[in-house]
Amino acid sequence: GAGVSQTPSNKVTEKGKYVELRCDPISGHTALYWYRQSLGQGPEFLIYFQGTGAADDSGLPNDRFFAVRPEGSVSTLKIQRTERGDSAVYLCASSTRGGRGSYNEQFFGPGTRLTVL
Amino acid sequence: ILNVEQSPQSLHVQEGDSTNFTCSFPSSNFYALHWYRWETAKSPEALFVMTLNGDEKKKGRISATLNTKEGYSYLYIKGSQPEDSATYLCAVMEYGNKLVFGAGTILRVKS
Repeated sequence: GAGVSQTPSNKVTEKGKYVELRCDPISGHTALYWYRQSLGQGPEFLIYFQGTGAADDSGLPNDRFFAVRPEGSVSTLKIQRTERGDSAVYLCASSTRGGRGSYNEQFFGPGTRLTVL
Repeated sequence: ILNVEQSPQSLHVQEGDSTNFTCSFPSSNFYALHWYRWETAKSPEALFVMTLNGDEKKKGRISATLNTKEGYSYLYIKGSQPEDSATYLCAVMEYGNKLVFGAGTILRVKS
């Protein structure tokens, strides 16, 4: 069966531009997560969706970052006025359910490598 | 703030060597620990999810142990092969959902 897919696989943009990163979770997975991995570090949590709503967005670094999941399936991470420090691999993961009482395995996509020049 | 540490940062071994990595975390508020294997340009692949103190899990030549009281987990690879070369990530889940990752251990196995 299909795993988590992310597009594009690579994105190069200029400082100040707007970018959108897309995540297609595994069908039927209600929980969706975005993480960011900067060079030399482990992945860092950004935001978690349960269905259509953002259940925890405490990891978004500032108001330039925004994510949506309007139909409870595909999610888009949006970054406004990109900065060089936003360069990283953006990972998406999904699981059958999330929230309190759950330690379900999270299935990851291959990531989008974002480079801001 | 939950801090997860992994050691060593990188490891170079010969084919056939056995190796092990460490993941350390605060023992309070622990809920679950995940080990992932991440090859370049691929998706991180889940190896184990461990929740109970004293848990031991095995998958082929790879095994892991968990000590929640002292706050550590070990990952062992027996008879390393070149295809084991990857970054091994440990992540701790507090009660709920998000994973807090360590920086990973990069393993390179030479044939």
